[in-house]
Amino acid sequence: DTGVSQNPRHKITKRGQNVTFRCDPISEHNRLYWYRQTLGQGPEFLTYFQNEAQLEKSRLLSDRFSAERPKGSFSTLEIQRTEQGDSAMYLCASSIQVNTEAFFGQGTRLTVV
Amino acid sequence: GESVGLHLPTLSVQEGDNSIINCAYSNSASDYFIWYKQESGKGPQFIIDIRSNMDKRQGQRVTVLLNKTVKHLSLQIAATQPGDSAVYFCAETQYNNNDMRFGAGTRLTVKP
Repeated sequence: DTGVSQNPRHKITKRGQNVTFRCDPISEHNRLYWYRQTLGQGPEFLTYFQNEAQLEKSRLLSDRFSAERPKGSFSTLEIQRTEQGDSAMYLCASSIQVNTEAFFGQGTRLTVV
Repeated sequence: GESVGLHLPTLSVQEGDNSIINCAYSNSASDYFIWYKQESGKGPQFIIDIRSNMDKRQGQRVTVLLNKTVKHLSLQIAATQPGDSAVYFCAETQYNNNDMRFGAGTRLTVKP
């Protein structure tokens, strides 16, 4: 499977715990995006990487959120001190260059209890 | 923004009919548009895209129309099949802008 891969698919955590999600983009894609999607809504942009550089962050990305892409390949999204409002589907997408189609992974569904 | 829960616009069509899903985009500077299909529990799946220098683009069973004057995008699906049942999102972005903005989505239900 050469698509975008996300792990885990589901995560249930207690409020206040830290969680980390992983995204493996399509191998030749330089651009990597993180989105968040709540039920009944379209995906909302969180952050974007060009290779290993994080070039843009949404205001939605509070200081409890951090994303990395250390070698320009896979990326991680960490949420510290999770809150119930963090419950959502976290989607990763990658594209080969600007203004080309972004391909999404299956997402990680986070439930904070 | 505030969540509106599950109250997505819905479109119900009979199998074999043509479907038209509409989207009003927000930014007149947007120059690249994409339609995505999302099935329950899955990530969005690319369907078709169009750039602002075009007003129509056709794929297999799908056609996207772009009207920049009124900032309107539509997706036409020919001979709709049960497997087309999903939520459809339009997304807009600008050249060199990394923030691809999604619309609220339309739920398409195909009746056999």
